Amino acid sequence: DTAVSQTPKYLVTQMGNDKSIKCEQNLGHDTMYWYKQDSKKFLKIMFSYNNKELIINETVPNRFSPKSPDKAHLNLHINSLELGDSAVYFCASSQLASGSEETQYFGPGTRLLVL
Amino acid sequence: GENVEQHPSTLSVQEGDSAVIKCTYSDSASNYFPWYKQELGKGPQLIIDIRSNVGEKKDQRIAVTLNKTAKHFSLHITETQPEDSAVYFCAASPRGNTPLVFGKGTRLSVIA
Repeated sequence: DTAVSQTPKYLVTQMGNDKSIKCEQNLGHDTMYWYKQDSKKFLKIMFSYNNKELIINETVPNRFSPKSPDKAHLNLHINSLELGDSAVYFCASSQLASGSEETQYFGPGTRLLVL
Repeated sequence: GENVEQHPSTLSVQEGDSAVIKCTYSDSASNYFPWYKQELGKGPQLIIDIRSNVGEKKDQRIAVTLNKTAKHFSLHITETQPEDSAVYFCAASPRGNTPLVFGKGTRLSVIA
C-alpha cells in the first residue's frame, strides 16, 4: 500500500495555464505539507496543513493555492504557470500537529515542466 | 530564522569505505535533526534522526553525531555499498510549530 501518493507523476504544460496536483495519505496523519525541489535539489517548504487548517505558509506567490478537503488530502492548485515554476513538487505527511519534530513521509513527487 | 549548511555537495567513495557528511545550523533553539535519503526518482525518506538531548545515535551502518555547543551534526555511513548512492539531506527543526529547514543535499556516489 502506498503511504503518500501524488498525481500526476509528470506534468508538462504551457506558460499561463492553470494546473492542479493531488496528494493523498493513508497513514492517518494529522499534518500534510507541500515542498518544492528545484533543479539543484534544494528542498523548500511551501505550505503545511494540520487537520485541514493552514498552519505554515512560506513566501509563496498567490498563484499557488493549497486546498485540503479532508485531513487525508492536500491538493495544490497553480494559476498562471511560469517558467520558474518548473520543479519537482513533493507532498509529505507527519503524525502530530507539531509536525516539524516528527518523521515526515514523502510522496514520490510530481515533476512539473512549464514550457 | 534557522539556516542549515551542508558539506560536501558531492562525495565519491570506494565501496567498503566510510562516508561522512557534515551540517551546521544557526539557531541554538533547534532540537531535532533528521537525515533523509533521496534515491533517484523518489521522494526523500528518513534514515535516522537525533534529538538535542543525545550526542550520538547508531542504526547498523549509519550513525549520527551532534555537537550542540558547536552547532553541528554529522552523518556517518560505514562499509558503504552501491545502494547507498543517493542524495542525502540534513535538516534542523527549531522548537514549536516551525517547519524543518533542509540543507542543500550531498550527492553520494559509492563506486564498486
